Amino acid sequence: GNSVTQMEGPVTLSEEAFLTINCTYTATGYPSLFWYVQYPGEGLQLLLKATKADDKGSNKGFEATYRKETTSFHLEKGSVQVSDSAVYFCARMNFGNEKLTFGTGTRLTIIP
Amino acid sequence: DVKVTQSSRYLVKRTGEKVFLECVQDMDHENMFWYRQDPGLGLRLIYFSYDVKMKEKGDIPEGYSVSREKKERFSLILESASTNQTSMYLCASSFSDRVEYGYTFGSGTRLTVV
Repeated sequence: GNSVTQMEGPVTLSEEAFLTINCTYTATGYPSLFWYVQYPGEGLQLLLKATKADDKGSNKGFEATYRKETTSFHLEKGSVQVSDSAVYFCARMNFGNEKLTFGTGTRLTIIP
Repeated sequence: DVKVTQSSRYLVKRTGEKVFLECVQDMDHENMFWYRQDPGLGLRLIYFSYDVKMKEKGDIPEGYSVSREKKERFSLILESASTNQTSMYLCASSFSDRVEYGYTFGSGTRLTVV
């Protein structure tokens, strides 16, 4: 089926550390891929997206590259800040089907 | 600022009660969605709607129904609340022809059934 698997949390890092949150997807259809972020007490916000292989999405210093060969869309940031503490969700949407399928979420905590 | 508004931030209801969760969007989006969010399970789709008076079941529709009488409003109904429906409920909306923009989410309703 259409699924998304992301790394288990929680993840705790020191400020300015390098961040990677892994995400892989099942290779069915031609999905668009997304990362959403949920800050404490809020709904989800779109962080970045990629619609085809080799596309790179980027926003707020975060990046993710759509890798068809490894069916992955890992989220990276070179230097995290305390304000990046949130829950991050990887998601997919197949072409012609407007439903998003989400991963289980990864809670990220950045300590000063 | 465009938004999706959920009528209640927190709700406490008794087992067996009929519960209405309301969601309103002001972006003229065609699509609207209801998800529930549970630790370790992520977001699971309950119901969605592509148009007024139209609804389709998501992955976990049992125990829920929905209503969409107007384009901007999408209601989730728990016909007889049970404790296993204690959860965070998230409403979202999107354009039908610009899926690359993703969804806009509301802030969520945390429902506790006692």
